Amino acid sequence: RKEVEQDPGPFNVPEGATVAFNCTYSNSASQSFFWYRQDCRKEPKLLMSVYSSGNEDGRFTAQLNRASQYISLLIRDSKLSDSATYLCVVNHRGGGNKLTFGTGTQLKVEL
Amino acid sequence: AAGVIQSPRHLIKEKRETATLKCYPIPRHDTVYWYQQGPGQDPQFLISFYEKMQSDKGSIPDRFSAQQFSDYHSELNMSSLELGDSALYFCASSSRTSGSAYEQYFGPGTRLTVT
Repeated sequence: RKEVEQDPGPFNVPEGATVAFNCTYSNSASQSFFWYRQDCRKEPKLLMSVYSSGNEDGRFTAQLNRASQYISLLIRDSKLSDSATYLCVVNHRGGGNKLTFGTGTQLKVEL
Repeated sequence: AAGVIQSPRHLIKEKRETATLKCYPIPRHDTVYWYQQGPGQDPQFLISFYEKMQSDKGSIPDRFSAQQFSDYHSELNMSSLELGDSALYFCASSSRTSGSAYEQYFGPGTRLTVT
């Protein structure tokens, strides 16, 4: 079982839709949480850090539930340019800050 | 804003050859990380350096070595290359002295093909 689990999708949604991604992690020592997006054959790009109180950045909202070891990402008013793979990422600071990636959820926004 | 620079962007080598990948972190970032992403896989952590000292080691083969230099750039040296080493190699950097010390920023990657 992978340490960070995500639904691989693909999620095919119409432009303007709201879409939610979920992620669970198994290591309770995980201390920092992130969502990255990755376009085909490109580098992962940091979308947002995820805080216990939840945080929002424009159309993107991230939530963290430490008790359930669950992370979510909500994208509102989807744009064609949101099409990408969304990676749920955690780190354990005691482990030198290395990142552990989920396998990613593929999103395709269509006209 | 300046980003992480990696060179070369593409590299083709034959089995048993050696390769050296270079990474230049974001200015004033003190920590460098190396990740390997195989086809259809998620990035896997290889090794990291903080202030020129190795800070953590992941699934890096013994055939690979890395170091961080006084100007904070890092090099990943790969010897006795195997077909299975074909992958995207990403370098990422972060700054322990910044307010977002645990956020890592990735370079564009080096695509290594071993034939």
